[in-house]
Amino acid sequence: DAGVTQSPTHLIKTRGQQVTLRCSPKSGHDTVSWYQQALGQGPQFIFQYYEEEERQRGNFPDRFSGHQFPNYSSELNVNALLLGDSALYLCASSWGHTTDTQYFGPGTRLTVL
Amino acid sequence: AQSVTQLDSQVPVFEEAPVELRCNYSSSVSVYLFWYVQYPNQGLQLLLKYLSGSTLVKGINGFEAEFNKSQTSFHLRKPSVHISDTAEYFCAVSSPFGNQFYFGTGTSLTVIP
Repeated sequence: DAGVTQSPTHLIKTRGQQVTLRCSPKSGHDTVSWYQQALGQGPQFIFQYYEEEERQRGNFPDRFSGHQFPNYSSELNVNALLLGDSALYLCASSWGHTTDTQYFGPGTRLTVL
Repeated sequence: AQSVTQLDSQVPVFEEAPVELRCNYSSSVSVYLFWYVQYPNQGLQLLLKYLSGSTLVKGINGFEAEFNKSQTSFHLRKPSVHISDTAEYFCAVSSPFGNQFYFGTGTSLTVIP
């Protein structure tokens, strides 16, 4: 049983560019949440997708957007990259629009130069 | 709003000694509480969680935590640590009515041979 998978594992971009990160949830899960983990910090909630809609959003600007596909996989898009967007981006999946059982992927390390 | 405070940023401990990692939370509603471990360059792995019921929760790798509502704490303990326990530990809070996780800033546990 595959767990949560994310791609790519590492990414280097320059300021002003756009990036797309991808996540496939654990088998049987239909809810995907995205988190940003800056170096030395705890993860910060970006948003959650359920039934292909953004259900809840953390304190992140509109440059951060997402999408969920009918197979429950999800994308995180970040436009107009800033140096401060450099972080580990974690995807977590769960079932039924809940978070009491949330499984995390290995993350995508984004470096903005 | 909910928040989590991890009282110690770094905890060094000798191998086979006991350890306690402290976590306090703030919430105006009932809570779910979690401890996650993160090994270098990896995602988060769930150690244990409190949803309801017994206040003493046992998790993987010999860890346990106790929910104390009066002190709003959820401290993580292990009676005898191993070198392999060296990692970053995150406390997190959620609620039965919401679907956001709020993480602490993490505690770096270093086990000394």
